[in-house]
Amino acid sequence: DIVMTQSPDSLAVSLGERATINCKSSQSVLYSSNNKNYLAWYQQRPGQPPKLLISWASTRESGVPDRFSGSGSGTDFTLTISSLQAEDVAFYYCQQYYDNGTFGQGTKVEIK
Amino acid sequence: QVQLVQSGAEVKKPGSSVRVSCKTAGGTFSSFGISWVRQGPGQGLELMGRIITVFGTTTYAQKFQDRVTITADKATSTVHMELSSLTSDDTAVYYCAKAFHPGSYLFDSWGQGTMVTVSS
Repeated sequence: DIVMTQSPDSLAVSLGERATINCKSSQSVLYSSNNKNYLAWYQQRPGQPPKLLISWASTRESGVPDRFSGSGSGTDFTLTISSLQAEDVAFYYCQQYYDNGTFGQGTKVEIK
Repeated sequence: QVQLVQSGAEVKKPGSSVRVSCKTAGGTFSSFGISWVRQGPGQGLELMGRIITVFGTTTYAQKFQDRVTITADKATSTVHMELSSLTSDDTAVYYCAKAFHPGSYLFDSWGQGTMVTVSS
């Protein structure tokens, strides 16, 4: 199985500041035939199911604010929240869907 | 947008089984890939298995291979997940999730979750 490792486990950021979450896969999730990274980011607010934010490493889902962006390729990926808002307090999970689907352990984002 | 509505919370004894349902609304049920993901208390997300409804084919994570059964009822557009031989370690919130493509594990819709508590 592909193992997904996120860092940090938690971070506290001031309102309006940048939050950066890293995700590393144990093997590449870049599919050479279509040059796509099979990497997604989900947001999970307290008491809610996960919500898909970003697919294919960098494609924002419809309705997701543009302060959320994803980057990276191969084995190393990043989710950036450019200007943290109060409603962004949540857990964030990366997931590879290259080979079945495994999730990172999650990163808790809080307000400093 | 496909909606997934799950059955209510369950309390079970160790050694028993639990069946959780996921009713779909909207979309074409026969062309879905529906997975089950669980989340233990304060824990992360763990994929348990999947059914591709057009074929009825299932794939289970090795950890749950011997204990989980996922079925699809086309008449009611509902997917069921049954987990047997329950222990306290199975206490968790269980989610169903729809993939954007039947053969994928990229989940674009989620159920609201079902709390399963295993306690003597």
